[in-house]
Amino acid sequence: QKEVEQNSGPLSVPEGAIASLNCTYSDRVSQSFFWYRQYSGKSPELIMSIYSNGDKEDGRFTAQLNKASQYVSLLIRDSQPSDSATYLCAVKDTGRRALTFGSGTRLQVQP
Amino acid sequence: GAVVSQHPSWVICKSGTSVKIECRSLDFQATTMFWYRQFPKQSLMLMATSNEGSKATYEQGVEKDKFLINHASLTLSTLTVTSAHPEDSSFYICSASGTYEGKQYFGPGTRLTVT
Repeated sequence: QKEVEQNSGPLSVPEGAIASLNCTYSDRVSQSFFWYRQYSGKSPELIMSIYSNGDKEDGRFTAQLNKASQYVSLLIRDSQPSDSATYLCAVKDTGRRALTFGSGTRLQVQP
Repeated sequence: GAVVSQHPSWVICKSGTSVKIECRSLDFQATTMFWYRQFPKQSLMLMATSNEGSKATYEQGVEKDKFLINHASLTLSTLTVTSAHPEDSSFYICSASGTYEGKQYFGPGTRLTVT
């Protein structure tokens, strides 16, 4: 069973701080990695994708991928209360069209 | 960005009736569409994967005769919940993908309540 693991949280950070969200995956040949944000009662929204080792930055978000350690993370700089949501890590495995989702980490940004 | 719509956004139906949910990719061609179900405070659960013009692939434990999926074109997939029961009440979300990398864009979801 291929797995994607996330700490369920909640992860609580003060406004303006850096929030660090982590995800590990079990399939060594996974090729595509995504972070989704899901507000309560809403559907997931794609915020970052990363395909190769290293960092990828987009505004306040930075995704980091380390395939050797099977680890992907999301950093949110200057966290805002509006960033409070559940963040889902998703991985695409070879030979399968569907993504495997982690159970999500709930982030709370305290004003 | 890629936009996916769902209709209806919410529906209430009586036990034993059928409900159809539509999922459309508005500005791209979706070679693959996915249907998920999510119960309150729980994770997304993939129900099935569908490719345009072919039969859907259902995940283990999902009844294909109860959840009928049709993917008739590159922009439209439908999910029909047949003979709905109160335990089918949930948040149904579709997503669409048009790329090999697997990037999925989600619709806004349909909240189904069966009374």
